[in-house]
Amino acid sequence: GENVEQHPSTLSVQEGDSAVIKCTYSDSASNYFPWYKQELGKRPQLIIDIRSNVGEKKDQRIAVTLNKTAKHFSLHITETQPEDSAVYFCAASEGNYGQNFVFGPGTRLSVLP
Amino acid sequence: DAGITQSPRHKVTETGTPVTLRCHQTENHRYMYWYRQDPGHGLRLIHYSYGVKDTDKGEVSDGYSVSRSKTEDFLLTLESATSSQTSVYFCAIKGAGQDITEAFFGQGTRLTVV
Repeated sequence: GENVEQHPSTLSVQEGDSAVIKCTYSDSASNYFPWYKQELGKRPQLIIDIRSNVGEKKDQRIAVTLNKTAKHFSLHITETQPEDSAVYFCAASEGNYGQNFVFGPGTRLSVLP
Repeated sequence: DAGITQSPRHKVTETGTPVTLRCHQTENHRYMYWYRQDPGHGLRLIHYSYGVKDTDKGEVSDGYSVSRSKTEDFLLTLESATSSQTSVYFCAIKGAGQDITEAFFGQGTRLTVV
């Protein structure tokens, strides 16, 4: 089955700097890659996703890149703000219909004022 | 927020007792999932359902069973709770269609087995 690795496990950046979180996956059949943000005590919520037919996607200060050949994808957050502090999870789809998601172990991002 | 509700939100139970967690959705989504979240492990799939009475095992299904008798409800049962099942449990729902779509999560249930 699919295996998703995520690095780093913790990341501290100064407010205004950029943050990058990287994930790798093992199943070349995976074709959907969502990123979830989980604030302390809250539920995970989707912040951005990318499909395998696209190499990059942007939404304001966040962007995701996908390299299908290398089987890795990354989350980029620019101009970080304190409210970006959270745990971020990457995921890859699996199953005959991509119905399941395999999640990475998470990255705890701290944005220091 | 997507119409998904988990109950109870918190539960403390003793080792060896049965426990049932409930997930209720109002979105009529086909897929429903139970995950557990533990530090350093992210979200791990326990069981999922792809329709009424249609379920399948996930990565960490041992010690858990599920049932889905109605589209809107997905129950997770720990037949005999153990301390290793202390965790935060999240239910999620997802629609079906030509394109894969995001999963929406419930608020979570914090279960402590003492």
